[in-house]
Amino acid sequence: TQLLEQSPQFLSIQEGENLTVYCNSSSVFSSLQWYRQEPGEGPVLLVTVVTGGEVKKLKRLTFQFGDARKDSSLHITAAQPGDTGLYLCAVCKNDYKLSFGAGTTVTVRA
Amino acid sequence: DTAVSQTPKYLVTQMGNDKSIKCEQNLGHDTMYWYKQDSKKFLKIMFSYNNKELIINETVPNRFSPKSPDKAHLNLHINSLELGDSAVYFCASSQDSRGAVGCEQYFGPGTRLTVT
Repeated sequence: TQLLEQSPQFLSIQEGENLTVYCNSSSVFSSLQWYRQEPGEGPVLLVTVVTGGEVKKLKRLTFQFGDARKDSSLHITAAQPGDTGLYLCAVCKNDYKLSFGAGTTVTVRA
Repeated sequence: DTAVSQTPKYLVTQMGNDKSIKCEQNLGHDTMYWYKQDSKKFLKIMFSYNNKELIINETVPNRFSPKSPDKAHLNLHINSLELGDSAVYFCASSQDSRGAVGCEQYFGPGTRLTVT
């Protein structure tokens, strides 16, 4: 079983629509990261959330850490084709190993 | 300026061969990592070095041997390549191995290894 469950696995939407990606676990974490990976490239760090209930915004992207620090969501407002990519959540386990979810592939059609 | 670089970008080789992938970071980070991304895009850590010392060694065949000549470089040597080694290998670095800062990792562009 995976430490982090991401949903949905795939998401295809029209430009201008909103979308939400979820990252869930039964474990509690001290911090959680979101990365975006574009085809042929490495993952790029988008944000780190640390405090339960924390909300962070990065332009049209809104990240939320659950109150119990077990889950997180990523919401994109008015998606654009440039938002297309693989979105990965990740956490460090007690021994400081970064563990990734399986990812959500987002496709934004023009 | 490239923060984390890897060479080569693509590597096609035959079963049984030995190959190396090189990684360099110019971020001044203390910790470097190797990850393997499979065909389903799942990323899994293989190794981690902190100041040239091995700190993470996941369950990886001993045909894979990392080497860190200095804290800015982490190379990956693979002996006797097998079909199942085909994947994309990513190098990454972070400022420190502990705490939230250690989780903020910067990745290279990846090396796509194809074993035929």
